[in-house]
Amino acid sequence: EIVLTQSPGTLSLSPGERATLSCRTSQSVSSSYLAWYQQKPGQAPRLLIYGASSRATGIPDRFSGSVSGTDFTLTISRLEPEDFAVYYCQQYGGSPSVTFGQGTKVEIK
Amino acid sequence: EVQLVESGGGLVQPGGSLRLSCVGSGFTFSSYWMHWVRQAPGKGLVWVSRIKSDGSNSDGSSTSYADSVKGRFTISRDNAKNTLHLQMNSLRAEDTAVYYCARGADRTFDYWGRGTLVTVSS
Repeated sequence: EIVLTQSPGTLSLSPGERATLSCRTSQSVSSSYLAWYQQKPGQAPRLLIYGASSRATGIPDRFSGSVSGTDFTLTISRLEPEDFAVYYCQQYGGSPSVTFGQGTKVEIK
Repeated sequence: EVQLVESGGGLVQPGGSLRLSCVGSGFTFSSYWMHWVRQAPGKGLVWVSRIKSDGSNSDGSSTSYADSVKGRFTISRDNAKNTLHLQMNSLRAEDTAVYYCARGADRTFDYWGRGTLVTVSS
C-alpha cells in the first residue's frame, strides 16, 4: 500500500503569508496521479491541483503544486482568509486504488 | 452545473444494513467512473469503492473496494437513472462516517456531493 505522509500536521500563519505543504509518498508515484484537495468544516472536499501541478477549473493562481522525486508540495503564495482549511493530498494507483494523506490544517495565527 | 446528491444515511445497529444512493445531474453520468469516499468524525478521507463507467474491466470486473469493506459493501450504478448506490451490510461501529460520492476524472475526484452521515451504534 502506498502511504502518503503530509507535513506539518498544522500550519499556523497569518493572512498574506506563504504556505508550503508537503506530501511524501512511500513509493514512487506517477506525478500524473497526485492531487490536492481543500476541505472546509462541514463541506465536501474541493479539487485544487491534479497531475501534481495543474490547477483545477476555477482555482486561483495563488495555489500551485510541484514535485521532486517522492516529495510533492502545495504552495499558497499569499494566504487569503478563505484559504484557512484542511488540505489533503491523494494518489491514484497501486493497491488499494486510492489513498489520501492524513491532512494538513492551515489555521490563522 | 454538475451536482451530486447523496441520500440514505442514518442510524443503524451493528450488523445491520443500509443502502446509500447518489444522484448525478449536469453531466453525462454514464461516461464517468464513480467513487465512494468516507470520512469518520474528525478524521481524514478514506476511499471506499469505485465503479467503472460502462461496467467493463480488463480483468472482467467493474468494481474495486478498500480491504476494510470488501465482502460487506457492494457498489452499483443505474445509468438510466443517473444513480450510484452503495449497499452496506454487516455494518460495524468503525463504518460510522460521512459518505461522499465523487466523480472520477483523470485519476482524481473533480466533483463531490455534500455527503450523507452513517452512524452505526446500538
